[in-house]
Amino acid sequence: KQEVTQIPAALSVPEGENLVLNCSFTDSAIYNLQWFRQDPGKGLTSLLLIQSSQREQTSGRLNASLDKSSGRSTLYIAASQPGDSATYLCAVVNYGQNFVFGPGTRLSVLP
Amino acid sequence: EPEVTQTPSHQVTQMGQEVILRCVPISNHLYFYWYRQILGQKVEFLVSFYNNEISEKSEIFDDQFSVERPDGSNFTLKIRSTKLEDSAMYFCASATRGMGEKLFFGSGTQLSVL
Repeated sequence: KQEVTQIPAALSVPEGENLVLNCSFTDSAIYNLQWFRQDPGKGLTSLLLIQSSQREQTSGRLNASLDKSSGRSTLYIAASQPGDSATYLCAVVNYGQNFVFGPGTRLSVLP
Repeated sequence: EPEVTQTPSHQVTQMGQEVILRCVPISNHLYFYWYRQILGQKVEFLVSFYNNEISEKSEIFDDQFSVERPDGSNFTLKIRSTKLEDSAMYFCASATRGMGEKLFFGSGTQLSVL
């Protein structure tokens, strides 16, 4: 059974810092991996989707990498801003199954 | 940009009552999902729906739950007899294609069972 973990559980950084969020999964035979952002009391916004054949995806200040063999993904946020404050969720899907979510990393970017 | 809409945003009900949560997926999407998130816990998969039938369901999705696409636009989740432990945020999601494609989520319905 696929298990997804994320560290750290919470992170507080000053504005302008670059930061890395980590995601690990136990079953490396994934189809793809998706990073989401969740604001308090809101839905999930898809940030980046990485197919199993890819090693990274970039969107603006965000870069997500995937290392299937080690069961890891990282989300890199450059030049963080207070508006980046949210919970970041990692989700993976294996062949023939549905997305399994991690518990999230709660990010606070301080002005 | 097209979005998934969910109504109501909040629903309060008494234990044992039936509730229907409503969703309007993005119009050209073919795959529909319900997820839930109990406060402080992970987002959990409930059910996926394609071509007017359930494609997959989790252990959570027992006989008390049902889904329906009554017309060309709405997608509903019904809980027949709510329990206290059904209190959660329920998210609807849709995708253009199937497994593993980018999911677009609604803003959720917060269900409180008293």
